[in-house]
Amino acid sequence: KQEVTQIPAALSVPEGENLVLNCSFTDSAIYNLQWFRQDPGKGLTSLLLIQSSQREQTSGRLNASLDKSSGRSTLYIAASQPGDSATYLCAVRTGGGNKLTFGTGTQLKVEL
Amino acid sequence: DAMVIQNPRYQVTQFGKPVTLSCSQTLNHNVMYWYQQKSSQAPKLLFHYYDKDFNNEADTPDNFQSRRPNTSFCFLDIRSPGLGDAAMYLCATSRDSTEHQPQHFGDGTRLSIL
Repeated sequence: KQEVTQIPAALSVPEGENLVLNCSFTDSAIYNLQWFRQDPGKGLTSLLLIQSSQREQTSGRLNASLDKSSGRSTLYIAASQPGDSATYLCAVRTGGGNKLTFGTGTQLKVEL
Repeated sequence: DAMVIQNPRYQVTQFGKPVTLSCSQTLNHNVMYWYQQKSSQAPKLLFHYYDKDFNNEADTPDNFQSRRPNTSFCFLDIRSPGLGDAAMYLCATSRDSTEHQPQHFGDGTRLSIL
């Protein structure tokens, strides 16, 4: 059974700092990994998707890496801004199924 | 423009009174999903439709059912809601099952049980 863990559970940083969020998963037979952002009381916004054959994906100030063999992914946020404050969730799709297995997220607060 | 639309945003129902949550999509995607997210927990897949084929997760309670009358709409029916069913319900879509296709989520419906 796939299990996804995100560390830390919460993070507070000053504006402008670069930061890394971590995601680990127990079953390396993944199809893809997706990073999402969730604002309070809202749904999920897809940030990046990394296919199993890829090592990283970039979008603006965000860079996600994937090391499938070690069961790890990181989300790097450059030059953080207060508007980046949200909960960040990673989710893996395992094997050929359609199901996403989510971590419980990292709650990020970027302070002025 | 919202592409996955969930109505209503907030729903209150009484213990044991059937309730239906609605999801529509303008993406013409083949796959539609329903997830349940309880407070401070990870979203958990309840079931999904690939076109008209219904796929139920093994641990989804019988109390939860779904209908997909056409490509654009999918409904979540809770036959007899209990207090433990209070949660955010998230609808998502994907074009197909290939590995490069992301899942796109709506804003969710927050369900409260009185």
